[in-house]
Amino acid sequence: DVQLTQFPSTLSASVGDRVTITCRASESISKMLAWYQQQPGKAPKLLIYQASRLESGVAARFSGSGSETQFTLTINSLQPEDFATYFCQQYNNYWTFGQGTKVDIK
Amino acid sequence: QVHLVQSGPEVKNPGASVTVSCQASGYIFKDYSIAWVRQAPGQRFEWVGWISTYTGDPDYAPRFQGRVTMTTDTSTRTAYMELRSLTSDDAAIFYCARVGGTGYDQFDYWGQGTLLTV
Repeated sequence: DVQLTQFPSTLSASVGDRVTITCRASESISKMLAWYQQQPGKAPKLLIYQASRLESGVAARFSGSGSETQFTLTINSLQPEDFATYFCQQYNNYWTFGQGTKVDIK
Repeated sequence: QVHLVQSGPEVKNPGASVTVSCQASGYIFKDYSIAWVRQAPGQRFEWVGWISTYTGDPDYAPRFQGRVTMTTDTSTRTAYMELRSLTSDDAAIFYCARVGGTGYDQFDYWGQGTLLTV
């Protein structure tokens, strides 16, 4: 199985900050990586797929980059509704998930 | 508008079976596969399996093979997941999700989740 290591596990930030979350794969997954946002008690929401493609309807302050084994999710100018948990998912070989990063208010 | 609506919370005894349903609307059901994942408390998401809504062929994660059965009913646009021989380790929120492409792909829509208590 492809293992995904995501860090940090928790990130404290303020409205307007730029935040970056990293996801590292145990083997090359090309660009077969997605990022999701999950609010407490809600279903996950797709933000980014194929490492850098913005899902339709998702705010442009979200962006993704990377390939092979190293990937990042960046949120520019953090908004109040962005305080949530974010996790990565690889789909190069079945599906596995990162452990999540909780973004909370500093 | 795409929606996946799952059945309600379940409470089961160890050794029992549970069936969770996932009814789709807002798109052509047979055009997208359905995946099932679970999230145990404090744990990362774990893929359980997926099913082609076009062929009805399922594919299960190795650790669930022999204990899970996934089916679809195209007449009601509903996918089902049955998990048998439950243990306390199976307590989790189970989600169905639409697979965005034709193979392994991102999950572009998710159900609201079904809480399983064992």
